[in-house]
Amino acid sequence: GQNIDQPTEMTATEGAIVQINCTYQTSGFNGLFWYQQHAGEAPTFLSYNVLDGLEEKGRFSSFLSRSKGYSYLLLKELQMKDSASYLCAVRDTGGFKTIFGAGTRLFVKA
Amino acid sequence: DAGVTQSPTHLIKTRGQHVTLRCSPISGHKSVSWYQQVLGQGPQFIFQYYEKEERGRGNFPDRFSARQFPNYSSELNVNALLLGDSALYLCASSKDGTPYEQYFGPGTRLTVT
Repeated sequence: GQNIDQPTEMTATEGAIVQINCTYQTSGFNGLFWYQQHAGEAPTFLSYNVLDGLEEKGRFSSFLSRSKGYSYLLLKELQMKDSASYLCAVRDTGGFKTIFGAGTRLFVKA
Repeated sequence: DAGVTQSPTHLIKTRGQHVTLRCSPISGHKSVSWYQQVLGQGPQFIFQYYEKEERGRGNFPDRFSARQFPNYSSELNVNALLLGDSALYLCASSKDGTPYEQYFGPGTRLTVT
């Protein structure tokens, strides 16, 4: 079966660091994506991992372990505008189907 | 450059009716994917089209169909609407069919009454 698990909600303080975990069980794997989605808006691309390891892009980093079916998104120096849902998504082997998790709602408090 | 555009923005339909949603990809992008997002959930994959051919289909009934035109724009059609079809319908485009970041449009909010 296809399954992607993420925590439903997380709360963190402005200026802090937060790690959002994602575990997946899919029939195939051809890359893992993280998207940010503000309420009422479309998802926006944050990162893409296809090989094991850490990808860093400014305040955002994403890690992948294919053997463990595990990824995390790390957000540093949190800002109020980072309050949003963060979606973990996996592409299947053929690359034509992307499976999304339910998303993690992050609340950043002052 | 213009991003992915979708029309209409909002739509209200009655059960049993038919609806057509439209999407124009980013210039130069040849792949379009359609997703359904119910409130509080992640997007659910419906279709992917590349070079006017269906390349992938999610677990949706045959009431859902789509096509891609020579200019790479796309339509999603839903027949015999049910209350459960109420959702945000997202279109995403990417350069080609290989794994690559896809860019989402603003979506069409469909309400079925």
